[in-house]
Amino acid sequence: DGGITQSPKYLFRKEGQNVTLSCEQNLNHDAMYWYRQDPGQGLRLIYYSQIVNDFQKGDIAEGYSVSREKKESFPLTVTSAQKNPTAFYLCASSPRDGAQETQYFGPGTRLLVL
Amino acid sequence: EDQVTQSPEALRLQEGESSSLNCSYTVSGLRGLFWYRQDPGKGPEFLFTLYSAGEEKEKERLKATLTKKESFLHITAPKPEDSATYLCAVSGQNFVFGPGTRLSVLP
Repeated sequence: DGGITQSPKYLFRKEGQNVTLSCEQNLNHDAMYWYRQDPGQGLRLIYYSQIVNDFQKGDIAEGYSVSREKKESFPLTVTSAQKNPTAFYLCASSPRDGAQETQYFGPGTRLLVL
Repeated sequence: EDQVTQSPEALRLQEGESSSLNCSYTVSGLRGLFWYRQDPGKGPEFLFTLYSAGEEKEKERLKATLTKKESFLHITAPKPEDSATYLCAVSGQNFVFGPGTRLSVLP
């Protein structure tokens, strides 16, 4: 059963702590993306990756980091430098990184600050 | 700069009451327009991709249309299970999402 999985569903971060959100896909897609969703706003792109070992910053990359060591996996780390991390985080993938390519989304991770 | 707006922000319909959601966009060189459905606390679910003005696509009670400046998502005889937030996105230089329309269908 192909798809995108994200874990955990809920994540709590303490002050000064780095946390990592997991994203795995078994769709054999080349491109993967991380978005942040805040109430009343559209999805905003954090980072994206077109190929293994390569990634680019999106519109709001400050305070976040990513890695792409495997085609199937694209973890996102929310660092202590991100001062307002509370949001719903969505991972997506597409067959290729083309402007006409449909992006498919995972179920999301909700990050809350303690 | 590519921009997407959606209207209305929220829409409440009675079951069976057809209506349309609007997605207006400004983009330099549209490469694709995408509609998604999002349920509370879940990831967006892909519905349609439209590539050129005049194109239409249908799925059950939903029909998406595209002009050079906007797209409409028509909902015919909606049911309570159609209640969700509907997101529009455009692809030009970047992939840009609108803020969504929150649809409630009352029984």
